[in-house]
Amino acid sequence: QKEVEQDPGPLSVPEGAIVSLNCTYSNSAFQYFMWYRQYSRKGPELLMYTYSSGNKEDGRFTAQVDKSSKYISLFIRDSQPSDSATYLCAMSAGLWGGSYIPTFGRGTSLIVHP
Amino acid sequence: NAGVTQTPKFQVLKTGQSMTLQCAQDMNHEYMSWYRQDPGMGLRLIHYSVGAGITDQGEVPNGYNVSRSTTEDFPLRLLSAAPSQTSVYFCASTLMGIRDTSSGANVLTFGAGSRLTVL
Repeated sequence: QKEVEQDPGPLSVPEGAIVSLNCTYSNSAFQYFMWYRQYSRKGPELLMYTYSSGNKEDGRFTAQVDKSSKYISLFIRDSQPSDSATYLCAMSAGLWGGSYIPTFGRGTSLIVHP
Repeated sequence: NAGVTQTPKFQVLKTGQSMTLQCAQDMNHEYMSWYRQDPGMGLRLIHYSVGAGITDQGEVPNGYNVSRSTTEDFPLRLLSAAPSQTSVYFCASTLMGIRDTSSGANVLTFGAGSRLTVL
C-alpha cells in the first residue's frame, strides 16, 4: 500500500458542477498538505497549502484536512473548462517533523466539459 | 525572477548515449530535486539536494547522477541512457523553512519539464 492514495480518474463533470477530489494517507506524522494543479505538458503548480487540520478557502477552491481520518479533500465550486487538469495531492511531516520531502499522490485527471 | 528553468525541453537519445538535463533557479532555494513522471506512476523522486555540495538519493536513483556545486544549479546526468528512462523529468526547488514551524513545509516550485525519449 502506498503512503498516499489518490484515485487517478479520469473524473468527468459538466461545467458548473461541484468537484470533490480526495486523498488518503497512512503516515500520522504528516502535517503539511498541498494540492498542485498540472495542466497538460506543463509542470505542477501549487494551488492550495494547509498546515495541520481544518479548512482553507481561496475563491472557488476549498481544501479540507481531516487528520483523524487521514483524509484530505479539494473542492472546486462552479467548475469551469479551464479547471481541466491533473490535480496532485502532496504531504509532508515538514522540516521539524523529521522529513521535509513531500510524498505525492498519483494525481487525479479532471475533465470539465461545457 | 525566472523561477526554475529546465533545459532542454525535448531530447531524443539512442540507447547508451549520455546527456545532462540542466536545472537552474534564481530564488536562492536551498532544496532542489529531480522527479520523473510516467503515466500511472505519478511523480517519483530521483535525487535531491539540501545545499551546495550535499546530495542524496530518492526513490529511483539508479542510472542517474547529480552534483550541486552552486546554490543555483542542479544538473541531472544520464550516464548510459536506456529505453526505461523515457519519461518527463521535472526539477523542483524550495526554501528549507528553518525559521519557524509553520514555514517548515516543502512547498515546491517546479520547472516546465524536460521530455526525454530513449530509442
